[in-house]
Amino acid sequence: DIQMTQSPSSVSASVGDRVTITCRASQGIANWLAWYQQRPGKAPKLLITAASTLQSGVPSRFSGGGSGTEFTLTISSLQPEDFATYYCQQAKGFPQTFGGGTKVEIK
Amino acid sequence: QLQLQESGPGLVKPSETLSLTCTVSGASVSNSHYFWGWIRQPPGKGLEWIATIYYSGSTYYNPSLKSRVTISRDTSKNQFSLKLTSVTVADTAVYYCASPDASLWIDYWGQGTLVTVSS
Repeated sequence: DIQMTQSPSSVSASVGDRVTITCRASQGIANWLAWYQQRPGKAPKLLITAASTLQSGVPSRFSGGGSGTEFTLTISSLQPEDFATYYCQQAKGFPQTFGGGTKVEIK
Repeated sequence: QLQLQESGPGLVKPSETLSLTCTVSGASVSNSHYFWGWIRQPPGKGLEWIATIYYSGSTYYNPSLKSRVTISRDTSKNQFSLKLTSVTVADTAVYYCASPDASLWIDYWGQGTLVTVSS
């Protein structure tokens, strides 16, 4: 199985801050990576596919990068609605695996 | 617009079988553009993929759960289902039904249903 490791597990930040989350795969997955946002009590929401393709309706302050084994999700200017938990997911094949999550909290 | 809705018991006893159904609206479960799956999330923890079924009926399971899991679909009711046998407290989680696209990006999710395993 491909293991996905996210860091940090949590980050405290203020509105307007730039936040970067890292996701590492245990083996190369090219760009077969997605990012999801999950607010408390809600289902995850797909933000980014293929490592860097922003989904329709997702604000441009979100961006994704990387390939192979190291990937990043960056929020350029944190907004109040961005405080949530973020997960990466590899889709290179089965079994699909997720990172452990990064909780973005208000400082 | 594709919509998914989970249903099933919220409480299951240890050693029994957890059974959940996902009702699909806005698309047919036999449509070749869609795949169907289950993902769970224990309280306060991360996401775990459980199983996926293709429009063709092909199934894929998480190896850690494979011996206890069955995913199936009912085209007459436009539903797909999950059965998890011999449950323990470790199976307590919010269970989401979901529809990944052909690249396995999960763009549609149900609202989730909490299943508690307890005697």
